[in-house]
Amino acid sequence: DTGVSQDPRHKITKRGQNVTFRCDPISEHNRLYWYRQTLGQGPEFLTYFQNEAQLEKSRLLSDRFSAERPKGSFSTLEIQRTEQGDSAMYLCASSPPSQETQYFGPGTRLLVL
Amino acid sequence: AQKITQTQPGMFVQEKEAVTLDCTYDTSDQSYGLFWYKQPSSGEMIFLIYQGSYDEQNATEGRYSLNFQKARKSANLVISASQLGDSAMYFCNVDRGSTLGRLYFGRGTQLTVWP
Repeated sequence: DTGVSQDPRHKITKRGQNVTFRCDPISEHNRLYWYRQTLGQGPEFLTYFQNEAQLEKSRLLSDRFSAERPKGSFSTLEIQRTEQGDSAMYLCASSPPSQETQYFGPGTRLLVL
Repeated sequence: AQKITQTQPGMFVQEKEAVTLDCTYDTSDQSYGLFWYKQPSSGEMIFLIYQGSYDEQNATEGRYSLNFQKARKSANLVISASQLGDSAMYFCNVDRGSTLGRLYFGRGTQLTVWP
């Protein structure tokens, strides 16, 4: 399968715990995006990488959230001290150079109890 | 900032019929891209069709076509010959088409295809 992959697909955690999600983009895609989607809403942009550089962060990305893409390939999104409001689907997307289309992964569903 | 409006929270269509999903957008950018994505209940966002703001012809991809009216800032999706598998949430998006490329999503339209 050469699509965008995300791990884990589901995560249940207790409030206050830290969680980390991983996204592996399609090979050769230099741009990588994270979005968050809550029930009944469209996805909201969180952050964007071009290669290893994080070029933009939404104000939705509070100081409890951090994302990295150290080698310009896979990316991680960490949430520290999770809150119930963090419960959502976290979507990763990637796109190749010179093309606008973003290709999404299956998402990670987070439930904070 | 960009804004997307999808006024139809739910649409119903009979199998094999055509359906139009409405989308209007608001952007101050001169160059931008318009996208439609489909999200089945499994959650994965599936790319359907793209239209560049400077494209003069409406985009088509198989059974999907985009009715682009730039002056009205409208980008409706037309699905011809609906299939049961088309039942899903549909999102219209606009991006800035330049440096950042982030997508702005509307609230979506839930399409249900019945036999």
